[in-house]
Amino acid sequence: GESVGLHLPTLSVQEGDNSIINCAYSNSASDYFIWYKQESGKGPQFIIDIRSNMDKRQGQRVTVLLNKTVKHLSLQIAATQPGDSAVYFCAEPFSPGNTGKLIFGQGTTLQVKP
Amino acid sequence: DAGVTQSPTHLIKTRGQQVTLRCSPISGHKSVSWYQQVLGQGPQFIFQYYEKEERGRGNFPDRFSARQFPNYSSELNVNALLLGDSALYLCASSLKQGANEKLFFGSGTQLSVL
Repeated sequence: GESVGLHLPTLSVQEGDNSIINCAYSNSASDYFIWYKQESGKGPQFIIDIRSNMDKRQGQRVTVLLNKTVKHLSLQIAATQPGDSAVYFCAEPFSPGNTGKLIFGQGTTLQVKP
Repeated sequence: DAGVTQSPTHLIKTRGQQVTLRCSPISGHKSVSWYQQVLGQGPQFIFQYYEKEERGRGNFPDRFSARQFPNYSSELNVNALLLGDSALYLCASSLKQGANEKLFFGSGTQLSVL
Protein backbone atom coordinates (compact mmCIF):
# COMPACT_ATOMS: atom_id res chain seq x y z
CA GLY A 1 0.00 0.00 0.00
CA GLU A 2 0.94 3.65 -0.09
CA SER A 3 3.18 4.97 2.60
CA VAL A 4 5.13 8.05 3.37
CA GLY A 5 8.01 7.68 5.72
CA LEU A 6 10.68 9.76 7.31
CA HIS A 7 14.22 8.54 7.71
CA LEU A 8 15.10 9.77 11.19
CA PRO A 9 12.85 10.22 14.23
CA THR A 10 15.06 12.93 15.77
CA LEU A 11 17.50 15.43 14.32
CA SER A 12 19.60 17.64 16.54
CA VAL A 13 21.36 20.68 15.05
CA GLN A 14 23.23 23.69 16.29
CA GLU A 15 21.56 27.07 15.99
CA GLY A 16 22.67 28.71 12.77
CA ASP A 17 23.44 25.46 10.99
CA ASN A 18 21.40 24.13 8.08
CA SER A 19 18.95 21.27 8.71
CA ILE A 20 17.96 18.55 6.28
CA ILE A 21 14.92 16.39 6.95
CA ASN A 22 14.30 13.46 4.65
CA CYS A 23 11.21 11.61 3.51
CA ALA A 24 10.65 8.58 1.30
CA TYR A 25 7.45 7.65 -0.48
CA SER A 26 6.35 4.41 -2.08
CA ASN A 27 3.81 5.38 -4.74
CA SER A 28 5.55 6.32 -7.96
CA ALA A 29 2.30 7.91 -9.18
CA SER A 30 2.33 10.47 -6.36
CA ASP A 31 2.30 13.94 -7.84
CA TYR A 32 2.05 16.33 -4.92
CA PHE A 33 3.86 16.57 -1.59
CA ILE A 34 3.54 18.85 1.39
CA TRP A 35 5.70 19.59 4.40
CA TYR A 36 4.07 20.46 7.70
CA LYS A 37 5.55 21.75 10.96
CA GLN A 38 3.92 20.84 14.25
CA GLU A 39 4.90 22.65 17.41
CA SER A 40 4.03 21.29 20.82
CA GLY A 41 0.36 21.77 21.63
CA LYS A 42 -0.54 22.94 18.14
CA GLY A 43 -1.87 21.47 14.93
CA PRO A 44 0.30 20.97 11.85
CA GLN A 45 1.20 24.16 10.01
CA PHE A 46 1.77 24.26 6.24
CA ILE A 47 5.37 25.03 5.33
CA ILE A 48 5.84 24.37 1.63
CA ASP A 49 4.59 22.10 -1.12
CA ILE A 50 5.93 20.74 -4.39
CA ARG A 51 4.43 19.11 -7.46
CA SER A 52 6.03 16.23 -9.26
CA ASN A 53 6.79 18.36 -12.32
CA MET A 54 9.32 20.24 -10.19
CA ASP A 55 12.62 19.14 -8.67
CA LYS A 56 13.05 22.04 -6.29
CA ARG A 57 11.00 24.74 -4.67
CA GLN A 58 12.15 27.49 -2.38
CA GLY A 59 10.39 29.43 0.31
CA GLN A 60 11.57 31.69 3.07
CA ARG A 61 14.60 29.87 4.54
CA VAL A 62 13.18 26.55 3.37
CA THR A 63 13.80 24.50 0.26
CA VAL A 64 12.14 21.25 -0.75
CA LEU A 65 13.92 18.88 -3.13
CA LEU A 66 12.15 16.07 -4.95
CA ASN A 67 13.95 13.09 -6.46
CA LYS A 68 11.38 11.06 -8.33
CA THR A 69 13.91 8.47 -9.44
CA VAL A 70 14.47 7.23 -5.90
CA LYS A 71 11.11 8.47 -4.56
CA HIS A 72 12.66 10.76 -2.03
CA LEU A 73 12.08 14.30 -0.91
CA SER A 74 13.86 16.50 1.57
CA LEU A 75 13.20 19.69 3.47
CA GLN A 76 16.16 21.97 3.96
CA ILE A 77 16.03 24.73 6.55
CA ALA A 78 18.71 27.38 6.29
CA ALA A 79 20.25 29.02 9.37
CA THR A 80 18.15 26.99 11.78
CA GLN A 81 16.70 28.97 14.65
CA PRO A 82 15.31 27.90 18.05
CA GLY A 83 11.82 28.63 16.74
CA ASP A 84 12.31 25.88 14.17
CA SER A 85 12.22 23.27 16.93
CA ALA A 86 9.19 21.14 16.14
CA VAL A 87 8.07 17.89 14.54
CA TYR A 88 8.17 17.93 10.75
CA PHE A 89 5.91 15.77 8.60
CA CYS A 90 5.85 15.07 4.91
CA ALA A 91 2.44 14.28 3.48
CA GLU A 92 0.77 13.42 0.19
CA PRO A 93 -2.86 13.13 -0.93
CA PHE A 94 -4.53 9.72 -0.89
CA SER A 95 -5.55 10.40 -4.45
CA PRO A 96 -4.53 13.08 -6.91
CA GLY A 97 -6.53 16.26 -6.73
CA ASN A 98 -7.81 16.14 -3.17
CA THR A 99 -5.54 17.63 -0.56
CA GLY A 100 -8.20 17.23 2.13
CA LYS A 101 -7.29 13.56 2.44
CA LEU A 102 -3.63 13.30 3.26
CA ILE A 103 -1.26 10.49 4.19
CA PHE A 104 1.29 11.68 6.75
CA GLY A 105 4.67 10.23 7.56
CA GLN A 106 5.73 9.45 11.12
CA GLY A 107 7.50 12.74 11.61
CA THR A 108 11.00 13.91 12.45
CA THR A 109 11.62 15.88 15.63
CA LEU A 110 14.02 18.76 15.04
CA GLN A 111 15.89 19.93 18.12
CA VAL A 112 17.86 23.16 17.84
CA LYS A 113 20.70 23.58 20.30
CA PRO A 114 21.59 27.17 21.29
CA ASP B 1 -9.24 36.29 10.92
CA ALA B 2 -9.80 33.37 13.22
CA GLY B 3 -8.24 30.11 12.25
CA VAL B 4 -9.77 26.68 12.63
CA THR B 5 -11.24 26.42 16.11
CA GLN B 6 -11.92 23.20 17.96
CA SER B 7 -13.70 22.47 21.20
CA PRO B 8 -13.15 21.28 23.78
CA THR B 9 -9.37 21.45 23.96
CA HIS B 10 -9.13 18.57 26.40
CA LEU B 11 -11.53 15.82 27.32
CA ILE B 12 -11.42 12.83 29.66
CA LYS B 13 -13.84 9.94 29.16
CA THR B 14 -14.15 6.37 30.34
CA ARG B 15 -14.39 3.25 28.25
CA GLY B 16 -17.79 2.71 26.68
CA GLN B 17 -18.79 6.36 26.76
CA GLN B 18 -19.58 8.50 23.77
CA VAL B 19 -17.90 11.77 22.80
CA THR B 20 -18.66 14.66 20.45
CA LEU B 21 -15.91 16.94 19.19
CA ARG B 22 -16.63 20.22 17.44
CA CYS B 23 -14.89 22.19 14.75
CA SER B 24 -15.43 25.59 13.16
CA PRO B 25 -13.57 26.05 9.88
CA ILE B 26 -11.96 29.23 8.69
CA SER B 27 -14.63 31.62 7.47
CA GLY B 28 -15.45 30.85 3.85
CA HIS B 29 -13.96 27.36 3.94
CA LYS B 30 -16.39 24.68 2.84
CA SER B 31 -14.28 21.54 3.23
CA VAL B 32 -13.58 20.03 6.64
CA SER B 33 -11.41 17.02 7.36
CA TRP B 34 -10.84 15.11 10.59
CA TYR B 35 -7.62 13.39 11.62
CA GLN B 36 -6.55 11.27 14.57
CA GLN B 37 -3.02 11.68 15.87
CA VAL B 38 -1.73 9.11 18.30
CA LEU B 39 1.27 10.18 20.37
CA GLY B 40 4.47 9.89 18.42
CA GLN B 41 2.82 9.35 15.05
CA GLY B 42 1.61 11.41 12.14
CA PRO B 43 -2.06 12.36 11.77
CA GLN B 44 -4.29 9.68 10.28
CA PHE B 45 -7.22 10.63 8.06
CA ILE B 46 -10.70 9.87 9.42
CA PHE B 47 -13.27 11.84 7.40
CA GLN B 48 -13.68 14.58 4.85
CA TYR B 49 -16.83 16.62 4.35
CA TYR B 50 -17.46 19.08 1.58
CA GLU B 51 -20.68 21.01 1.13
CA LYS B 52 -22.25 18.94 3.90
CA GLU B 53 -21.60 15.64 2.17
CA GLU B 54 -19.12 12.96 3.17
CA ARG B 55 -16.40 12.88 0.55
CA GLY B 56 -14.07 10.36 2.10
CA ARG B 57 -13.59 8.02 4.99
CA GLY B 58 -10.40 6.53 6.34
CA ASN B 59 -9.86 3.10 7.84
CA PHE B 60 -11.82 3.66 11.04
CA PRO B 61 -14.64 1.55 12.54
CA ASP B 62 -18.30 2.52 12.37
CA ARG B 63 -18.05 3.80 15.93
CA PHE B 64 -16.67 6.94 14.31
CA SER B 65 -19.14 9.24 12.58
CA ALA B 66 -19.26 12.86 11.58
CA ARG B 67 -21.44 15.47 10.02
CA GLN B 68 -21.20 18.95 8.59
CA PHE B 69 -23.75 21.65 9.22
CA PRO B 70 -25.12 24.34 6.85
CA ASN B 71 -22.66 26.84 8.32
CA TYR B 72 -19.85 24.36 7.43
CA SER B 73 -18.97 23.62 11.03
CA SER B 74 -18.55 19.96 11.82
CA GLU B 75 -18.85 17.41 14.59
CA LEU B 76 -16.99 14.16 15.08
CA ASN B 77 -18.72 11.53 17.18
CA VAL B 78 -17.10 8.46 18.65
CA ASN B 79 -19.25 5.82 20.33
CA ALA B 80 -18.30 3.01 22.71
CA LEU B 81 -14.91 4.53 23.45
CA LEU B 82 -11.89 2.26 23.74
CA LEU B 83 -8.59 2.96 25.44
CA GLY B 84 -7.00 3.03 22.01
CA ASP B 85 -9.13 6.00 21.01
CA SER B 86 -6.97 8.20 23.24
CA ALA B 87 -5.38 10.65 20.84
CA LEU B 88 -5.27 14.21 19.55
CA TYR B 89 -8.16 14.78 17.17
CA LEU B 90 -7.43 17.39 14.57
CA CYS B 91 -9.83 19.26 12.37
CA ALA B 92 -8.64 20.91 9.17
CA SER B 93 -10.37 23.10 6.65
CA SER B 94 -9.78 24.24 3.10
CA LEU B 95 -11.59 26.60 0.81
CA LYS B 96 -12.87 23.81 -1.35
CA GLN B 97 -12.11 20.21 -2.25
CA GLY B 98 -9.44 19.82 -4.85
CA ALA B 99 -5.85 20.19 -5.85
CA ASN B 100 -3.71 23.06 -4.63
CA GLU B 101 -6.03 23.62 -1.71
CA LYS B 102 -3.95 24.21 1.38
CA LEU B 103 -5.18 22.48 4.48
CA PHE B 104 -5.31 24.56 7.66
CA PHE B 105 -5.37 22.69 10.96
CA GLY B 106 -6.81 23.58 14.31
CA SER B 107 -4.94 22.91 17.55
CA GLY B 108 -6.94 19.79 18.20
CA THR B 109 -8.90 18.15 20.99
CA GLN B 110 -6.85 15.95 23.28
CA LEU B 111 -9.03 12.96 24.19
CA SER B 112 -8.03 10.69 27.05
CA VAL B 113 -9.99 7.47 27.55
CA LEU B 114 -9.55 5.85 30.97
